[in-house]
Parts: sequence; C-alpha cells; structure tokens
Amino acid sequence: NAGVTQTPKFQVLKTGQSMTLQCAQDMNHEYMSWYRQDPGMGLRLIHYSVGAGITDQGEVPNGYNVSRSTTEDFPLRLLSAAPSQTSVYFCASSYPGGTSTDTQYFGPGTRLTVL
Amino acid sequence: GDSVTQMEGPVTLSEEAFLTINCTYTATGYPSLFWYVQYPGEGLQLLLKATKADDKGSNKGFEATYRKETTSFHLEKGSVQVSDSAVYFCALSEPGNEKLTFGTGTRLTIIP
Repeated sequence: NAGVTQTPKFQVLKTGQSMTLQCAQDMNHEYMSWYRQDPGMGLRLIHYSVGAGITDQGEVPNGYNVSRSTTEDFPLRLLSAAPSQTSVYFCASSYPGGTSTDTQYFGPGTRLTVL
Repeated sequence: GDSVTQMEGPVTLSEEAFLTINCTYTATGYPSLFWYVQYPGEGLQLLLKATKADDKGSNKGFEATYRKETTSFHLEKGSVQVSDSAVYFCALSEPGNEKLTFGTGTRLTIIP
C-alpha cells in the first residue's frame, strides 16, 4: 500500500491563479479530509468527506472547493489564490465507522506559496 | 466549541532527560484524545491515543493518561533521545465524528 499520497510537494502561485492539490489513498478509507498548517495555529480543517459524493465544510473553507467522485481521490481546488493561502496542506484518511477512535493517516503534505 | 491547549514551545532538552508536554482540552462531549508527531519534512503520524477516562496510551516509550477530572492528556517520556526531535500535536475528536481538533503544536529539540 502506498498509503496517502499528495501531489505536488511544492507549488508557487501568483495571486489570482487557480490550482488543484491532489490527494489519493489506496486503503479503501471512507473518511478523507484536508487540513492546513500554519505557524502557531496547529492544523485547521478545511473540508472533509465521509464517502464518495458527500462533502462538507470544516473550520476554514473559504476560498477552497472539494469533490469526491471516487473513494480513492479527494482533490482540493483553490479558485483564486491569495497570499493568505500560503500554507502547508495535509490530506488525511481513516477507516469507516465514525467511532472517533480510528487512526487517521496523513499524507506528506504540499507546501504552497502564493506571491 | 472544542479546543485543545498545549504547552508553548520550543522545548529543548538534553539527551536522556525527562519530558513532559502539557495538553488540556475543552469538549462538549466525551472525546477521544490523541498525540500526533511530525518529524522534519514529513506528515503527521499517530503516536498514541486514549478513548476513555483513565486510559493510558503508550508507544515508543511515550505515555499519556486521559484525565477527565482535569481535562488533561499530558505527554511524558522518561528518557528522550535525539531521534525524538519533532513537533508534537495534541488533538481530540468527538464521539461518532472523525474530525480532529488540534493544539498549536510543540517543537521539541533534543541535544546530545
């Protein structure tokens, strides 16, 4: 198993550009989520999905879109990049069941800089 | 809403020293508690977890006990190594909910 994979590892954008951060998992996990990590703020939830075709907003969803057409993939789209979106982005997934005891598996992250 | 407060860093210790990283939480329900670790340049990995009061999670020499009366989940290790240098995150999730609420992280550096 490759686990949770994210591409790209690094990206530089100009203000106003759009892009998609890719996330894939091969563990048949129902739950997937996106977090952003900023200095002094820990990780904050952007969007999450409890299964294919179902997505919902987290704590900081503005400026981001997601879709979940398959169990494996959960891309994060930046519609019009802003400098405030400069951050490290992590995708995570976990086993179904929603018991809140299931381990979440994190990808290696995408470091995004918006100029 | 839920929140997690953890010890401000950075923390620098000598090898073989005793480690404590404090973590307290506020939650509406009866949460599960986690410690995640992030090594340089990597994603987060689950270090240990506890799901009910007085449970002790342990892994790689690290321990944390779920204290409902003090709403705490402090991370401890008796003798740290240089390889323990990393950022440590305390987190919680509510019952039936996969969403994690994280603390701000504590950067730990161990010097030989």
